[in-house]
Amino acid sequence: GENVEQHPSTLSVQEGDSAVIKCTYSDSASNYFPWYKQELGKGPQLIIDIRSNVGEKKDQRIAVTLNKTAKHFSLHITETQPEDSAVYFCAASGGNNRLAFGKGNQVVVIP
Amino acid sequence: GAGVSQSPSNKVTEKGKDVELRCDPISGHTALYWYRQSLGQGLEFLIYFQGNSAPDKSGLPSDRFSAERTGGSVSTLTIQRTQQEDSAVYLCASSFTGGADSNQPQHFGDGTRLSIL
Repeated sequence: GENVEQHPSTLSVQEGDSAVIKCTYSDSASNYFPWYKQELGKGPQLIIDIRSNVGEKKDQRIAVTLNKTAKHFSLHITETQPEDSAVYFCAASGGNNRLAFGKGNQVVVIP
Repeated sequence: GAGVSQSPSNKVTEKGKDVELRCDPISGHTALYWYRQSLGQGLEFLIYFQGNSAPDKSGLPSDRFSAERTGGSVSTLTIQRTQQEDSAVYLCASSFTGGADSNQPQHFGDGTRLSIL
């Protein structure tokens, strides 16, 4: 089955700087890659997703890039704010509706 | 609210007891998913419903786990004879129809935090 790895496990950034989280996946048939943000005591919230027919997608301060050849995708957060502090999860799916998640990345934005 | 609703939000029970967890999906979403999240870990897929049918239940960890969905809406996840290793947050998600080769965004509830004493 699909195996998703996520690095680094913890990331601290100064407010206003950019944060980048990278994920790799194993199954070349995967074609859908969502990113979720999870705050303490809450469920994961979908923040952006990308499909394999595009290489990049942007939504305000958040962007995701996909490299199908290398089987990795990244989340970019620009102009970070304290409210961006959370755990971020990447996931991958090959069309069987079953998301395989990475272990998560704790992002801490230092005011 | 219009989001996925799960109940109870917290459940503490003794080892060996049965528990039932409930999920009320977003109205109009035909696909429903259960995941398990252990402390500090990612989400582990358990089961997927399309309408009332479960085409993929391969993630259920043992025969103590079962799930059903009625009326194409509410789903219950049942754990029988609970063990301490069942302690986790159980998350439910729903999406519009997700057929083969058709991934639709999954929207999650806030989960049920289950603690087995």
